[in-house]
Amino acid sequence: DAKTTQPPSMDCAEGRAANLPCNHSTISGNEYVYWYRQIHSQGPQYIIHGLKNNETNEMASLIITEDRKSSTLILPHATLRDTAVYYCIVRPSMNTGFQKLVFGTGTRLLVSP
Amino acid sequence: EPEVTQTPSHQVTQMGQEVILRCVPISNHLYFYWYRQILGQKVEFLVSFYNNEISEKSEIFDDQFSVERPDGSNFTLKIRSTKLEDSAMYFCASTERPRAGELFFGEGSRLTVL
Repeated sequence: DAKTTQPPSMDCAEGRAANLPCNHSTISGNEYVYWYRQIHSQGPQYIIHGLKNNETNEMASLIITEDRKSSTLILPHATLRDTAVYYCIVRPSMNTGFQKLVFGTGTRLLVSP
Repeated sequence: EPEVTQTPSHQVTQMGQEVILRCVPISNHLYFYWYRQILGQKVEFLVSFYNNEISEKSEIFDDQFSVERPDGSNFTLKIRSTKLEDSAMYFCASTERPRAGELFFGEGSRLTVL
């Protein structure tokens, strides 16, 4: 499995964009980038995923560099409720069957008033 | 919005006792998982389950652990003889499409072994 590197913590002011980076320099061509978050001790929550194109949904945007060695999760207008640990996970593509998610240590995002 | 529900939310047990943690996955999901998180540590994969059999299990999932789906709705994790180090949050997850990677997690069951 490709490994990811994330900063251990980040701060963001409420209402501003939160940009969370992730390095995955050993990612292979068939691996997707997934983002999950965990608020306090709740169960992880899926945010978004992508292969090589940028993706956007109601929660966030995912920007993947052209060489796919890094990505950025963008929360456009962070709120206090976005305070959580954010996990960047790489995972083989849809054609490789029943693949578990492997969580790292993630980035602890603190959104302040 | 459909959700994965877990019971109990918190269980305290004595070392050596059997514990059953229960999960009701989202109704049209057929692929199920258990993860655990020891306080302050990573979320760790335990086991995946499909079509009434284990698909994959981790090294943590030893003979003391078992899973089953007895009635087509509940998905249970049993720990036969709990140890102190089994104290953790246990998360159930389910998905309709495992290859898509979008897992839906429950709120967790906190197990405290004394």
